[in-house]
Amino acid sequence: KNQVEQSPQSLIILEGKNCTLQCNYTVSPFSNLRWYKQDTGRGPVSLTIMTFSENTKSNGRYTATLDADTKQSSLHITASQLSDSASYICVVSATSGTYKYIFGTGTRLKVLA
Amino acid sequence: GAVVSQHPSWVICKSGTSVKIECRSLDFQATTMFWYRQFPKQSLMLMATSNEGSKATYEQGVEKDKFLINHASLTLSTLTVTSAHPEDSSFYICSAASGAGAIGETQYFGPGTRLLVL
Repeated sequence: KNQVEQSPQSLIILEGKNCTLQCNYTVSPFSNLRWYKQDTGRGPVSLTIMTFSENTKSNGRYTATLDADTKQSSLHITASQLSDSASYICVVSATSGTYKYIFGTGTRLKVLA
Repeated sequence: GAVVSQHPSWVICKSGTSVKIECRSLDFQATTMFWYRQFPKQSLMLMATSNEGSKATYEQGVEKDKFLINHASLTLSTLTVTSAHPEDSSFYICSAASGAGAIGETQYFGPGTRLLVL
């Protein structure tokens, strides 16, 4: 069964600190993996997208890594800001010929001043 | 680019009434649009996929007569919640993709519509 699991479920950090969010997936055959940021009451916004051959992708203070062998991805946030408080969702696409996204349950991040 | 809007952003209605939610792609043509529902502290759940000019494909367990989807043009899809009940209260999010079936093509999400049925 295609699944995407994220950890931790929630995280609280102080402003300026770094943090790493984890994503494990069992989706096969794998097409690509995306990280989205979803602010409360808003739609998800794409942060990064990685295909099978990519190991790392950065977008400002966000750096995503992908290990296609172990089927793990991480999202590292550097020098966190209050505006980073949001849910971060890992989304995996399968090469099934459709658009279907397989969503993780998300990690709720709270950055405190 | 790739902006998707939704209207209204929130709606409160009485039980038994119908509610229509619009999803528009503002700067690209959306061959495919998706409708999701999200309950508090849960991830997005795909309700249906629609292609312009054809009938929507509903996910298992989603009542097609309850959630009417119309994708009449390449920039507009509507979701109508018919005879809404309190259990339909949720956050409804649409997304749009410009392609016609390319594997892994990016979906662009709208800002969501909060529905509260009293």
